[in-house]
Amino acid sequence: EVYLVESGGGLVQPGGSLRLSCAASGFTFNTYAMTWVRQAPGKGLEWLSNISGGGDSTYYADSVKGRFTISRDNSKNTLYLQMNSLRAEDTAVYYCAKGRGYERGASEIWGQGTMVTVSS
Amino acid sequence: DIQMTQSPSSLSASVGDRVTITCRASQAISNFLAWYQQKPGKVPKLLIYAASTLQSGVPSRFSGSGSGTDFTLTISSLQPEDVATYYCQKYYSAPWTFGQGTKVEIK
Repeated sequence: EVYLVESGGGLVQPGGSLRLSCAASGFTFNTYAMTWVRQAPGKGLEWLSNISGGGDSTYYADSVKGRFTISRDNSKNTLYLQMNSLRAEDTAVYYCAKGRGYERGASEIWGQGTMVTVSS
Repeated sequence: DIQMTQSPSSLSASVGDRVTITCRASQAISNFLAWYQQKPGKVPKLLIYAASTLQSGVPSRFSGSGSGTDFTLTISSLQPEDVATYYCQKYYSAPWTFGQGTKVEIK
């Protein structure tokens, strides 16, 4: 069975940094695109970033471009999101998700999410 | 960037009713569209991909249609367990934008 488990969330001050991890199991990790999506309290889903199976292609939402970096370690079956220059509006539950294809595709499996709170 | 507009933003219907949610893209996206269901306090779940392909394990009362710019999610007979917020998402090109969501309630 496919599992995605996020970790690394927590409370951080504005301007601070945090690295989220997403441990994957149950599928051939390096053949699927992976995605980060967030959901602010009481709000809708916001796509943040996508990375291809081999890590050679990455894409970002304008809201995080230049501040967040997506990466993956296929030897460890782990996806990452490095978040710098955090702002109050980055407060949200962050989900990782498995795509249906190597480069892109619908997000067919989601992790349980990890909460990030940006506050002084 | 291509914008995704969902309508309505919320609806209330009776058990057994046919429910239709629409999603419109500001430019053509072929069939690179997915629908997700998010029940209160739960993780989003993929219902439909490629505009009309039902994800494995999803009840057949859910269906999707459309291509280009106009898409529809239909629940043929609304059930109490279908209370949720539904989102469309385009994955034709970055950014993989979500619609703003449609909250479905039981009347």
